[in-house]
Amino acid sequence: DAKTTQPPSMDCAEGRAANLPCNHSTISGNEYVYWYRQIHSQGPQYIIHGLKNNETNEMASLIITEDRKSSTLILPHATLRDTAVYYCIVRRRPRNMRFGAGTRLTVKP
Amino acid sequence: GAGVSQSPSNKVTEKGKDVELRCDPISGHTALYWYRQSLGQGLEFLIYFQGNSAPDKSGLPSDRFSAERTGGSVSTLTIQRTQQEDSAVYLCASSLAMGTADEQYFGPGTRLTVT
Repeated sequence: DAKTTQPPSMDCAEGRAANLPCNHSTISGNEYVYWYRQIHSQGPQYIIHGLKNNETNEMASLIITEDRKSSTLILPHATLRDTAVYYCIVRRRPRNMRFGAGTRLTVKP
Repeated sequence: GAGVSQSPSNKVTEKGKDVELRCDPISGHTALYWYRQSLGQGLEFLIYFQGNSAPDKSGLPSDRFSAERTGGSVSTLTIQRTQQEDSAVYLCASSLAMGTADEQYFGPGTRLTVT
């Protein structure tokens, strides 16, 4: 599996967009980029995934660079409830998902 | 609809005792996964079930760990002769089908403390 690199922590003002970066320079052509988050004391929550094209759903947008070596998760209007640890995972087979340290996002009022 | 449920939510046990953790996946989900998350650590894969296929046990840390899935639905993770290093949050997830882009839905976890 491709290794991912994320900043350990980020802050964001409430109501502003939160942009969370992820580097995955060794990604293979058949590997997807997944994003999950984990709010304190809860199980991980699926956010979004993509292969090549940018993706958007009701929670977030995922921007993948053309060379696929990095991506950005965008929460368009962050709320206090978006405070969580965000995990970027690159996997070909989702069954063996392994989360790293992730980015701890703190949304501040 | 109902999500993935796990029981108990918390379990405290003495070293050397056996424990059973239960997972009820989302109805209709054919794939079921067990993970564990130790304090301050990332997620560690344990075992995976898909339909009637043989489970992928490649993540089980020792032969004290085992899991079964009855009737393609409920799953039980059993830890025999528990050790203090088994203390962790055990998470169960389910998904519709095995595929390269199949999102997993997680339960709230069981916090296991071995004293």
